[in-house]
Amino acid sequence: DQQVKQNSPSLSVQEGRISILNCDYTNSMFDYFLWYKKYPAEGPTFLISISSIKDKNEDGRFTVFLNKSAKHLSLHIVPSQPGDSAVYFCAAEANQAGTALIFGKGTTLSVSS
Amino acid sequence: DAGVTQSPTHLIKTRGQQVTLRCSPKSGHDTVSWYQQALGQGPQFIFQYYEEEERQRGNFPDRFSGHQFPNYSSELNVNALLLGDSALYLCASRGSVGTEAFFGQGTRLTVV
Repeated sequence: DQQVKQNSPSLSVQEGRISILNCDYTNSMFDYFLWYKKYPAEGPTFLISISSIKDKNEDGRFTVFLNKSAKHLSLHIVPSQPGDSAVYFCAAEANQAGTALIFGKGTTLSVSS
Repeated sequence: DAGVTQSPTHLIKTRGQQVTLRCSPKSGHDTVSWYQQALGQGPQFIFQYYEEEERQRGNFPDRFSGHQFPNYSSELNVNALLLGDSALYLCASRGSVGTEAFFGQGTRLTVV
């Protein structure tokens, strides 16, 4: 039973446009959410996070939105750049306990110039 | 700052053998977690070590065991290897609660 779901395996976007990556979760105990980016042959790199007490967090070109009632979060990248092409993972944690991160299967983003 | 370092980067083992993977956490981090990432999947939590004790464990058999040393570095041991254990094994470290986990580059284990 997948507690974190990324239903789009892939997304293609043109350079300069907005990329929107989506993530749904089922566990109501999740209260801290993170996005990671992964290039081939590298480990995941932290991008941005959001606590359940917020509904939006921005960091430069990256914004994460959280809709707790819908158990849905999204990552917006504006403007998208070719270097953003990677696999993006959504992860969640319960009780901000600093223990297990539960990951989705990832979305492969391709940004064309 | 070297970040999280893992060794070796690649490993090929035969079914039934045992393997040990190593991880040094990011400077200042005292908590180490291990994840298994199979092809086309997201990382799956194996276990976490804090203060040299296993603090939480995911849904993995007892063939998977670990250890944390006083300098916070950690080892992941897998006994009686199966073909299905072939995966990328990721180590992650974090400092205080509520902060992000930093990942190493992983160890690619192939079981033949």
